[in-house]
Amino acid sequence: GDSVTQMEGPVTLSEEAFLTINCTYTATGYPSLFWYVQYPGEGLQLLLKATKADDKGSNKGFEATYRKETTSFHLEKGSVQVSDSAVYFCDRPGQNFVFGPGTRLSVLP
Amino acid sequence: DSGVTQTPKHLITATGQRVTLRCSPRSGDLSVYWYQQSLDQGLQFLIQYYNGEERAKGNILERFSAQQFPDLHSELNLSSLELGDSALYFCASSVGSSGRVGDTQYFGPGTRLTVL
Repeated sequence: GDSVTQMEGPVTLSEEAFLTINCTYTATGYPSLFWYVQYPGEGLQLLLKATKADDKGSNKGFEATYRKETTSFHLEKGSVQVSDSAVYFCDRPGQNFVFGPGTRLSVLP
Repeated sequence: DSGVTQTPKHLITATGQRVTLRCSPRSGDLSVYWYQQSLDQGLQFLIQYYNGEERAKGNILERFSAQQFPDLHSELNLSSLELGDSALYFCASSVGSSGRVGDTQYFGPGTRLTVL
């Protein structure tokens, strides 16, 4: 069935490093794709989304491009900060409502 | 602030007891979703209600039940509690109901349940 596959963590980076968290999807058609973020002690919140192929979602310095050729929606940020430490979830909405385990990012000063 | 409120923030109870968690969705949202998040199982979908009716069911135990009221707030009832039910319980809301296709979910801050 339709699903997303996200790279497993944890990921540990130094401040100002480049971040990539891989996400690939399988789906019929071109569903909307989302990245959610969960900061420590909080609920999930939408980070960015793309609703069709070739769209780029961006927010807070993060970007992800919906690439139908590679069925990917990788999350990137050019220079991470300590405050970006969180768990990141790639999501393809659907009837099964399944969120993966997420990728835990720790950014060290 | 997502606009979704959950009460209580923390709950400590004993095995065998029953508790009720409450969620108020964002203004205008008709769907409410409940999730359980534990360290070893990640984020598990429990159940969805749309405009008062059950719309989808996930890995919800028979000891658990939920409902959505006419004012659209929702309650999750957990009974015969076990140690393994200790977790964070999140409520989320969204405008629509169609399998969340393109539909952003807005999450509440969660209720941390501890069963002793």
